[in-house]
Amino acid sequence: NAGVTQTPKFRVLKTGQSMTLLCAQDMNHEYMYWYRQDPGMGLRLIHYSVGEGTTAKGEVPDGYNVSRLKKQNFLLGLESAAPSQTSVYFCASSDARSSYNEQFFGPGTRLTVL
Amino acid sequence: GQNIDQPTEMTATEGAIVQINCTYQTSGFNGLFWYQQHAGEAPTFLSYNVLDGLEEKGRFSSFLSRSKGYSYLLLKELQMKDSASYLCAVLDSNYQLIWGAGTKLIIKP
Repeated sequence: NAGVTQTPKFRVLKTGQSMTLLCAQDMNHEYMYWYRQDPGMGLRLIHYSVGEGTTAKGEVPDGYNVSRLKKQNFLLGLESAAPSQTSVYFCASSDARSSYNEQFFGPGTRLTVL
Repeated sequence: GQNIDQPTEMTATEGAIVQINCTYQTSGFNGLFWYQQHAGEAPTFLSYNVLDGLEEKGRFSSFLSRSKGYSYLLLKELQMKDSASYLCAVLDSNYQLIWGAGTKLIIKP
C-alpha cells in the first residue's frame, strides 16, 4: 500500500497563477483533509471531506477550493495564487470506523508563490 | 478561542530522558494526540489519550490530565533519530484536530 500520496512535491508559482494539488489514498478512508503548515504555527485545516461528493470549510478556507469526486482522491485548488499562500501543504486521511480518528499524512507539497 | 501551548525547542542528551509538555484550552475534548515530524517529512502518529493517566508504548509514554488541560510526552533512552518536532493536537467538540505549533527536540551526543 502506498498510503497517502501527493503531487506535485514542489512547485513555484507567480502571483495570480492557478494550480491544483492532488491527494490520493489507497486505504479506503472516508475522511480526507487538507492542511497548511507555516513556520512557528500549528497545522491549520483548510478544507475537509467526510465522504465522496462532500466537502466542508476548515479554519483557513479563503483562497482555496476543493473537490472530492472519487473516494480516493481529494483535490485542492488555488485559483489566483498569492504570496501569503507560500506554505507546505499536507493532505491526510482517516478511517470513519476508527475509535479515535488517527490521521495518516502524505509527504507534503512545498509551494512558493513569488 | 482555542489554544494549545508547547515549548518551541528543547535540547537533550543521547541516552537521557526528556519530557515535552502540552497545555490546551479547547471547545470540548475528544482526545489528545502526539505526532512526530522529522524535518521535511510528514507527521506520523505516536500516541492517543482520552482518559486520564499514562499510556506507555516502548520508549515513549504519554500522560493526560483532563481537569488540568495538560499532557506530556516522555521519551526515554533518547537516540539521535529522536531528533524531530513533536506535535500535540486535541480533538475538539466538532471532532476537528487543533494543533500546537510543535516542539523541536534536539538530541546531542
